[in-house]
This record gives sequence, C-alpha cells and structure tokens, in this order.
Amino acid sequence: NAGVTQTPKFQVLKTGQSMTLQCAQDMNHEYMSWYRQDPGMGLRLIHYSVGAGITDQGEVPNGYNVSRSTTEDFPLRLLSAAPSQTSVYFCATRGDNEKLFFGSGTQLSVL
Amino acid sequence: AQSVTQPDIHITVSEGASLELRCNYSYGATPYLFWYVQSPGQGLQLLLKYFSGDTLVQGIKGFEAEFKRSQSSFNLRKPSVHWSDAAEYFCAVGYGGATNKLIFGTGTLLAVQP
Repeated sequence: NAGVTQTPKFQVLKTGQSMTLQCAQDMNHEYMSWYRQDPGMGLRLIHYSVGAGITDQGEVPNGYNVSRSTTEDFPLRLLSAAPSQTSVYFCATRGDNEKLFFGSGTQLSVL
Repeated sequence: AQSVTQPDIHITVSEGASLELRCNYSYGATPYLFWYVQSPGQGLQLLLKYFSGDTLVQGIKGFEAEFKRSQSSFNLRKPSVHWSDAAEYFCAVGYGGATNKLIFGTGTLLAVQP
C-alpha cells in the first residue's frame, strides 16, 4: 500500500497562476485534509472532507478550493497564486483511533 | 479561541539525557491530545494520543506523555534520548469531542548532541 501520495513534490509558480495539488490515498479513509506548514507557525488546517461530496473549511481556507468526488482523491486548487501561499503543503487522512496519516508534502514557491 | 502553546522553539540535549517537551492548551473541557514527530523532509508521524482514562500514556519509540488537567498541559517525555530522536515535535489538540479540526502547536525542534 502506498498510503497517502502527494504530487508534485516541488512546484514554482508565478503570481496569478493556477494549479492543483494532488492527494491520493489507498487506505479507504473517509476523512482527508489539507494543511500548510510555515516556519514558526506549525501546521494550519486549510480544508477537510469527511467523505465523498462533503467538504468544509479549516483555519485558513481563503485562496484555496477543494472538492471530493471520490474516496481516494482530495485535490487542492489554487485559483490565483499569491506569494503568501508559498509554503509546504501536507495532505492527511485519518484512520482508526483518530490517527492522522500524512503524505510527504509539496513544497510550493510563488514568485 | 482555542490555542496550543509549545513554549520551547528549540531544545538541545545530550544523547542519553532525559527529555521533556512542553505543551499547554486553552480549553474548558478535556480535549483530544496528540504528539506528532516530523523528521526533515517528511510528513508527521503520530507518537501518542490521549482521549480519556489513565493520564500517563505510552507511545512509540519510548516516549510517554502526561495529561495534567489542573495545568492544562500535556508534556512529552523520554528517559534517555537517542541521536535518532533529533526531529521537530508537534503537540496537537482536537476540540469539541472531535478531531476534524486539529490545532497544532508551533513545534519544538530537538537537537541531540553526541
């Protein structure tokens, strides 16, 4: 089992460009989430989903869109990238006993 | 608003020494409490968690944590640190009896001296 797979691992964007960060899981977990990690700020929740067709906002949702059409995939969309969105992005699923399983991250730079 | 505080940004200990990482939270009721560890370039891995019951919980890699309601704390401890424990450690809290929206602390970076 691959667990939680994030692509790409690295990405550089120009301000105003759009892109989608991909997250796929093969653990059949209903819950999936996106976090961003910035130096000195820990991880902050962007959006989460408790199942196909259900999404909700986290702590810092502005500038990001999500959808959940299947159990396996939970893409994160940046419609118009801004330098403030330079960060490391982590996708996580939740298994038994509330344990989060994290992907290896996507490092995004917006110039 | 709910918050999680890890007052120590960076800690250095000698290999074989004991370790305690601090975590304080703000909330009236007992939250769900977690400690995660992140090695460089990796995602986070769960060390241990507390939901209810015995306030001293054991985790992986020889770590333990103690929930103290009176101090709103959930400090992480290890009796003897190994060089491989060098990493960043995050305390996280789930409020309202749910873990859909975890709040993470800002992390403590642990360095281990030989």
